[in-house]
Amino acid sequence: GAGVSQSPSNKVTEKGKDVELRCDPISGHTALYWYRQSLGQGLEFLIYFQGNSAPDKSGLPSDRFSAERTGGSVSTLTIQRTQQEDSAVYLCASSVGWGGNTGELFFGEGSRLTVL
Amino acid sequence: TQLLEQSPQFLSIQEGENLTVYCNSSSVFSSLQWYRQEPGEGPVLLVTVVTGGEVKKLKRLTFQFGDARKDSSLHITAAQPGDTGLYLCAGGGDYKLSFGAGTTVTVRA
Repeated sequence: GAGVSQSPSNKVTEKGKDVELRCDPISGHTALYWYRQSLGQGLEFLIYFQGNSAPDKSGLPSDRFSAERTGGSVSTLTIQRTQQEDSAVYLCASSVGWGGNTGELFFGEGSRLTVL
Repeated sequence: TQLLEQSPQFLSIQEGENLTVYCNSSSVFSSLQWYRQEPGEGPVLLVTVVTGGEVKKLKRLTFQFGDARKDSSLHITAAQPGDTGLYLCAGGGDYKLSFGAGTTVTVRA
């Protein structure tokens, strides 16, 4: 399909292991976002990429979290030395431009991470 | 961080009944969006409101943006089981949308 694609859809890992989550945005969308959704919580902003500009990493909760976007398209969110509190659904979204003001965010189905 | 509070947290009603979900903040937003999320899927945009006092209708759904652009409501008339889902409001001021915690709506057949 032409929507935002995320993988894996489910990931179970042991505490202390590293994980990588992948997001393939809609072709032509210059903006890409990562959000985290914990049970009973709203979406927590993690990081924002816009074109070739420096990403806004202000939402990353600790230095164990990092993300990159290669070639202005695919993005990878990496969590090092996972902790149980990292368990959540990680959602990726893309938009045509700035998105956040009046533009629509198109979300993927999310990657559910469970840290044992 | 601009906080958005949604109420109620949970809502369970019978098919055919009406319901209203509220989204409130102490901050002013240049726009406000409503998304619906179904289990195992990402949120999908329902509507964007940008003008204080604006009312938008989408079939049986009516969205209102407060005059001061600090609050919004979503009203569903004659709810159907297909309206079941998590309703999220999101406030925009820049590119970082601030999301509320959501209201889980269950419509029983």
